[in-house]
Amino acid sequence: DAGVIQSPRHEVTEMGQEVTLRCKPISGHDYLFWYRQTMMRGLELLIYFNNNVPIDDSGMPEDRFSAKMPNASFSTLKIQPSEPRDSAVYFCASSLIDSRNEQFFGPGTRLTVL
Amino acid sequence: KNEVEQSPQNLTAQEGEFITINCSYSVGISALHWLQQHPGGGIVSLFMLSSGKKKHGRLIATINIQEKHSSLHITASHPRDSAVYICAVSRLDTDKLIFGTGTRLQVFP
Repeated sequence: DAGVIQSPRHEVTEMGQEVTLRCKPISGHDYLFWYRQTMMRGLELLIYFNNNVPIDDSGMPEDRFSAKMPNASFSTLKIQPSEPRDSAVYFCASSLIDSRNEQFFGPGTRLTVL
Repeated sequence: KNEVEQSPQNLTAQEGEFITINCSYSVGISALHWLQQHPGGGIVSLFMLSSGKKKHGRLIATINIQEKHSSLHITASHPRDSAVYICAVSRLDTDKLIFGTGTRLQVFP
């Protein structure tokens, strides 16, 4: 298996633009997690899905952030409109069961909002 | 106070030294994870444990549930061990991982 795939790897955009990050989990994994990593706050969970259903989105910063998982092999995280404070590395991870099991992380998307 | 605390924040060592990184947590957990993040940014899961001790190569992880404390040990450290090591816990009441702030390790030849 190729592991968790994320695209793009780097994104530079201007404030106010829409940003879409993509993730393909490992085949057969039931759980998908979106994380954000910043120097100030470290790693934070934004949202996670179980069998394509959003279970907990309490970590999503505000209404500008939305995430979908239309099928078992694809998820998106969208920011609209983007702001400079959204600049961070966004990781997607998947696991067979839940957070009590090993999570496999994607390479991350480094987002810079100018 | 953070629910997961790591120490030290930064650590430098000479090649060959024995290294210990500590993690304390204040919530009930179902599992504790040790993650490694290399300078390139990728994150790899090293261990997941809920009791006792696990060993993989030169890495050893221990956990004391009663004391709410875990340690990650690296024996015979090597410059390629240079990375950020992150402790994370799975809370008993949710499926979410709560992360420590990480320990930056540099091993010099």
